[in-house]
Amino acid sequence: QQQVKQSPQSLIVQKGGIPIINCAYENTAFDYFPWYQQFPGKGPALLIAIRPDVSEKKEGRFTISFNKSAKQFSLHIMDSQPGDSATYFCAASTLSNTDKLIFGTGTRLQVFP
Amino acid sequence: NAGVMQNPRHLVRRRGQEARLRCSPMKGHSHVYWYRQLPEEGLKFMVYLQKENIIDESGMPKERFSAEFPKEGPSILRIQQVVRGDSAAYFCASSLNGGTGELFFGEGSRLTVL
Repeated sequence: QQQVKQSPQSLIVQKGGIPIINCAYENTAFDYFPWYQQFPGKGPALLIAIRPDVSEKKEGRFTISFNKSAKQFSLHIMDSQPGDSATYFCAASTLSNTDKLIFGTGTRLQVFP
Repeated sequence: NAGVMQNPRHLVRRRGQEARLRCSPMKGHSHVYWYRQLPEEGLKFMVYLQKENIIDESGMPKERFSAEFPKEGPSILRIQQVVRGDSAAYFCASSLNGGTGELFFGEGSRLTVL
C-alpha cells in the first residue's frame, strides 16, 4: 500500500530524444507527487511536482502526466540533453502535516550526444 | 543561505563500532527527515523529527538505530554495533513546515562498514 513502483530501471537516449519514466501507486490517500533528480555523489533535488487535481504540469522541458483513475504518473523530458544524465526518483506523499515522502526505486538516465 | 549540511561525508567503521551522522537543517527549518539509500536502490524513509521530538520512526530498525534533534545543535543519527549491511548512503532532508511539499536534501553521509 505504501509502495511506489517505478520503471524502467535504466534508460539510454540520444540527445534530443524524449525519455519517459513511469510510476504507479496503490495508496489513494497520496495527494502529492514530486520528482527528484540526483547526480552522482549529490543529494536528490526537487525537479517538478503535481497534485491530483490536474492531469499535466509542465516546467521548462519537464512534464508530469498524471492519471488519477489508473493511479499512475510519468515524467517526460523534452529535447533531452547530456546534462540531464542523472538518476530520477518519483515519490508520493499525503501532505496533511508532513513532508514524509515514499520514493520509487529510481531510473538511471543516460543521454548521449 | 547554506543548504542542509551533513557530516561526515564519508565514514568507515569496523563491525561492532558506533557510527554517528550529523545533520544541520537549512536555516529556519525545524523539520528533519533521515533516509537511507542502499547501492542501486531508492531512498527509504527512516525517521522524521522536529525539535526535541520524534514524530515518525516507522522506518527505523528496531535495534541499534536511534535519532535525535535536540533544542540546540544538529540532528544526529546513531548506529550502534554496526554490521556490513549498514553500509549505505544516509541522507538528511529538512523542510520549513510540515506539508509544504518540498524536502531539501543534504549531500549525504556514506558509511562503509569493514
